[in-house]
Amino acid sequence: EAGVAQSPRYKIIEKRQSVAFWCNPISGHATLYWYQQILGQGPKLLIQFQNNGVVDDSQLPKDRFSAERLKGVDSTLKIQPAKLEDSAVYLCASTVQGAYNEQFFGPGTRLTVL
Amino acid sequence: SQQGEEDPQALSIQEGENATMNCSYKTSINNLQWYRQNSGRGLVHLILIRSNEREKHSGRLRVTLDTSKKSSSLLITASRAADTASYFCATCPPAGGTSYGKLTFGQGTILTVHP
Repeated sequence: EAGVAQSPRYKIIEKRQSVAFWCNPISGHATLYWYQQILGQGPKLLIQFQNNGVVDDSQLPKDRFSAERLKGVDSTLKIQPAKLEDSAVYLCASTVQGAYNEQFFGPGTRLTVL
Repeated sequence: SQQGEEDPQALSIQEGENATMNCSYKTSINNLQWYRQNSGRGLVHLILIRSNEREKHSGRLRVTLDTSKKSSSLLITASRAADTASYFCATCPPAGGTSYGKLTFGQGTILTVHP
């Protein structure tokens, strides 16, 4: 079974620039999550999708972050404009419907904002 | 806010020794999960224990859960150098409400196993 795919793996941008991350979850997984993990901390949930609908985006900084999951499969997370404090690893995870089960994580995208 | 708090923050042991990590949390849970993260990689699920369970085993892993104390522990027996990683506990809230299946992670324990 193929795992969760993410791209790019690394990205370096200047502050105020825009950046987008892509995630392809495990086939058949209805629930998709985006997490932000700052160095030395645990992952923090940014947004949770169930199919193509948003379940929880309470911790998403909506003035600069946006995410979509068209057709309930792939998802993109965008930051516009980026700030220095956005430097982190962005992790995508998916799980079968029900969500009270283990989550499967992708390798993450390491973002550095200069 | 972080729900789970791991203790210790860092642990250094020799190969063959046992490693114990603890996690405390604040609110009711549906389940508690432990994940491992190797340097520069994504997280890998290790074990899930539900609120009505007290102990669970998986290979060299043993997890306990005490809901009265709102705490859990992860024991890795006969550790290997390959167990070197960060270990995170994550809590899942009860069904219902607005936190459907939302995991809240702790800060993690960095485990170093010396050959």
